[in-house]
Amino acid sequence: EIVMTQSPATLSVSPGERATLSCRASQSVSSNLAWYQQKPGQAPRLLIYGASTRATGIPARFSGSGSGTEFTLTISSLQSEDFAVYYCQQYNNWPCFGQGTKLEIK
Amino acid sequence: QVQLQESGPGLVKPSQTLSLTCTVSGGSISSGDYYWSWIRQPPGKGLEWIGYIYYSGSTYYNPSLKSRVTISVDTSKNQFSLKLSSVTAADTAVYYCARVLRQWLSPDYWGQGTLVTVSS
Repeated sequence: EIVMTQSPATLSVSPGERATLSCRASQSVSSNLAWYQQKPGQAPRLLIYGASTRATGIPARFSGSGSGTEFTLTISSLQSEDFAVYYCQQYNNWPCFGQGTKLEIK
Repeated sequence: QVQLQESGPGLVKPSQTLSLTCTVSGGSISSGDYYWSWIRQPPGKGLEWIGYIYYSGSTYYNPSLKSRVTISVDTSKNQFSLKLSSVTAADTAVYYCARVLRQWLSPDYWGQGTLVTVSS
């Protein structure tokens, strides 16, 4: 079973600044990784798949990188609507999610 | 614009079977480009993928839930369904249905979710 670990658990960043979220896999998942954004009371929203490909309609300020066991989601200039919980998900084996990073306003 | 809508009881007694249906609109469930999945989220916790199905009926289940899960599809109604047997309080969660990009195994359209509480 692959375990996905996200860090930090909570990230405090000011609007307009850059946010960097990390996701680590317990074993290599190649580039089989996706990122999601979830706001309270809403379903998750697909941001990135294939580690670095933005999903349809996702703004260019969201970017993903990494391969193997280390992955990063970067939000280049935080907007008010970006404060939410972010999950990574691997699909190299049975798909599973990380525990999430809460991005909050500093 | 694809839309998914979960339906089913919001309260299930322990040891009984949880049954939910997802109705897909704005697109055909028979599209070969997608899987159709169930994912759940206990209150205040993270996401767990329960399983997914292809329109042909091929199913894929979470190994930790496999003995209790059945997912089926009805292409004539553009629906797919979840049955989870022998439920306990640990199965209390918001249950989401979602369309999954087949090549990338990433859900790109989700239902709004439905809270199912297991309690006597």
